[in-house]
Amino acid sequence: QKEVEQNSGPLSVPEGAIASLNCTYSDRGSQSFFWYRQYSGKSPELIMSIYSNGDKEDGRFTAQLNKASQYVSLLIRDSQPSDSATYLCAVRVNTGGFKTIFGAGTRLFVKA
Amino acid sequence: EAGVTQFPSHSVIEKGQTVTLRCDPISGHDNLYWYRRVMGKEIKFLLHFVKESKQDESGMPNNRFLAERTGGTYSTLKVQPAELEDSGVYFCASSRSGLLGEQYFGPGTRLTVT
Repeated sequence: QKEVEQNSGPLSVPEGAIASLNCTYSDRGSQSFFWYRQYSGKSPELIMSIYSNGDKEDGRFTAQLNKASQYVSLLIRDSQPSDSATYLCAVRVNTGGFKTIFGAGTRLFVKA
Repeated sequence: EAGVTQFPSHSVIEKGQTVTLRCDPISGHDNLYWYRRVMGKEIKFLLHFVKESKQDESGMPNNRFLAERTGGTYSTLKVQPAELEDSGVYFCASSRSGLLGEQYFGPGTRLTVT
C-alpha cells in the first residue's frame, strides 16, 4: 500500500463545474496536509494547507480533512480551463525532522 | 520576496561523473528540503535541514549522495559517482517553520545521466 494514494485520473470536468479530488494516507501520525498544483514541466505550487479536521476554504478552493478516515480532499468550484494541471496531495509527518510524502497526483482537465 | 532558486536548471553528465546541485532558499527560511522525481514516479523526499543541521535524511538513496548546508543559507546536493538511475528532477523547497510550515518549491534541476 502506498503511503499517500490518489486516483491518477484523468479527471475531466466541464468549465464551471465542481472538481473533486481525493487522497488517502496510511500514517495515522500525519499531522499536516497540503495540496499542490503542478503544470507540466513546472515545479509544484502550493494551493492549500489544512491541519485540523473539517473544511478550509480559500477562494474557489476548499480542502477537507477527516483524520479518522485518513482522508483529504480538494474541491475546486467554478472550474476554469486554467485549472487543468496535476494536483498533488502531500502529508507531513514528524520524524524528528519533517518528512513530506507526496501522492502520485491526479490529472485534471477542465473542458471549455 | 525572491523565491527559491536552483542551479543549474539542467545538467547532462556521463555515468561515473560528479554533479553538484545548488539551492538558495527564500531569505529567512530556516527549513530546507530536497526532493527528487524520477520519470513516471511521485516526488520523493530526500532530506530536511533546519539551518545547517540535518534533521531527517532518511530519503537519501545511498552514500553516493551528499547534502550540505554550510552556514545555514544555501544548500548543495552532490552526486558522486552518478549512475543512470539518478536521472530525474531534483527539487528544493523551503519553509519558515517546520511541521506546519508551507513549503515553497524551486524550479528544479533536471539531471540526465547518460
